[in-house]
Amino acid sequence: DGGITQSPKYLFRKEGQNVTLSCEQNLNHDAMYWYRQDPGQGLRLIYYSQIVNDFQKGDIAEGYSVSREKKESFPLTVTSAQKNPTAFYLCASSIRLLAGNTYNEQFFGPGTRLTVL
Amino acid sequence: AQSVTQLDSHVSVSEGTPVLLRCNYSSSYSPSLFWYVQHPNKGLQLLLKYTSAATLVKGINGFEAEFKKSETSFHLTKPSAHMSDAAEYFCVVSGGYSGGGADGLTFGKGTHLIIQP
Repeated sequence: DGGITQSPKYLFRKEGQNVTLSCEQNLNHDAMYWYRQDPGQGLRLIYYSQIVNDFQKGDIAEGYSVSREKKESFPLTVTSAQKNPTAFYLCASSIRLLAGNTYNEQFFGPGTRLTVL
Repeated sequence: AQSVTQLDSHVSVSEGTPVLLRCNYSSSYSPSLFWYVQHPNKGLQLLLKYTSAATLVKGINGFEAEFKKSETSFHLTKPSAHMSDAAEYFCVVSGGYSGGGADGLTFGKGTHLIIQP
């Protein structure tokens, strides 16, 4: 079955530590995304990538970093510079961004809940 | 620029009664619109999408939504609520690929649907 996997499901971090969240997809999608979800806030875009070896900042990129060395993988690192990292993190993918006024839906992974101790 | 407003943060209905979750949007383009559902500690699942075809869109699990351009609305309905419908629902608008690298998706803050037995 095709889909998106995220690991781990739960992650605990001490203050001052960097942690990396994994996201893998076998849907052959070009575009991948990272979102942060806080209660009552909806989803906010952290980073996205349209193609291998390229990625763009979203609305709240400060304190985060990403890489896209392979089409199927888009790991997110939460650095110690992120002042309030406790949140639910969702990874998504889509076929690709299309020119004009159409857009493909995004497919979401199950999420990683990060807690800072 | 685009935005989406979910008019109710919480909706409570009795099992077997109709469901109405309200969404208004604004977009500079002819938008694509989506409804996603999220069960606790899970990823988002696509319920339905509007992409300028029929204005009444049918989705999974008996949900449907009607695109009304004159009212800039995309309300989600279901004739008869089931206990398994209890979840968080997100309205999402896409203005399309701008060519400037923008993601194009804007999420509402979510509506929490409660089903009373």
